[in-house]
Amino acid sequence: DGGITQSPKYLFRKEGQNVTLSCEQNLNHDAMYWYRQDPGQGLRLIYYSQIVNDFQKGDIAEGYSVSREKKESFPLTVTSAQKNPTAFYLCASSVRQGALYYGYTFGSGTRLTVV
Amino acid sequence: RKEVEQDPGPFNVPEGATVAFNCTYSNSASQSFFWYRQDCRKEPKLLMSVYSSGNEDGRFTAQLNRASQYISLLIRDSKLSDSATYLCVVNVPSGGATNKLIFGTGTLLAVQP
Repeated sequence: DGGITQSPKYLFRKEGQNVTLSCEQNLNHDAMYWYRQDPGQGLRLIYYSQIVNDFQKGDIAEGYSVSREKKESFPLTVTSAQKNPTAFYLCASSVRQGALYYGYTFGSGTRLTVV
Repeated sequence: RKEVEQDPGPFNVPEGATVAFNCTYSNSASQSFFWYRQDCRKEPKLLMSVYSSGNEDGRFTAQLNRASQYISLLIRDSKLSDSATYLCVVNVPSGGATNKLIFGTGTLLAVQP
């Protein structure tokens, strides 16, 4: 079955640590995205990538980093510079046709908690 | 003004009721619109896409009013399993040849037996 796999499902981070969240898709989608969801707020875009070896900052990129070395993979690193990282992180992918994106599909998410 | 606004609810309705959610958006250049459903502590899943004036899928009807810049979702004959948060999502230009999705904060629906 095609889909997006995020791992781990739950992650605990100590203060000052960097952690990396994995996102892999086998849908052959061009674009991939990372969102953060906090209670009472909509999803906020952290980073996105439209093609391999290229990515752009979203609305809340500070304290995060990404890479896109393969079409299938778009890992997100939450660095120690992110002051409030406790949140639900969602990875998504989509097909790109011109300026429009279709078939947005989400992974099952990673719940990150700072301890 | 927020780019996408929804009434957070909760909407508490009895089984069998008809319920409607509205969503307003601020960018008149928005090109496509979606309703996603999100269950508690789960990822959002696409419920309906709205590319023209609207569309219908079984008990669900989505309508788009470009002049007033709002989208609505109507659920008829509500089921207990419809209980979830419904996210309004708008595809807006973001500069150059790219677009991005803007998510509303969601409307919580609780269907009561």
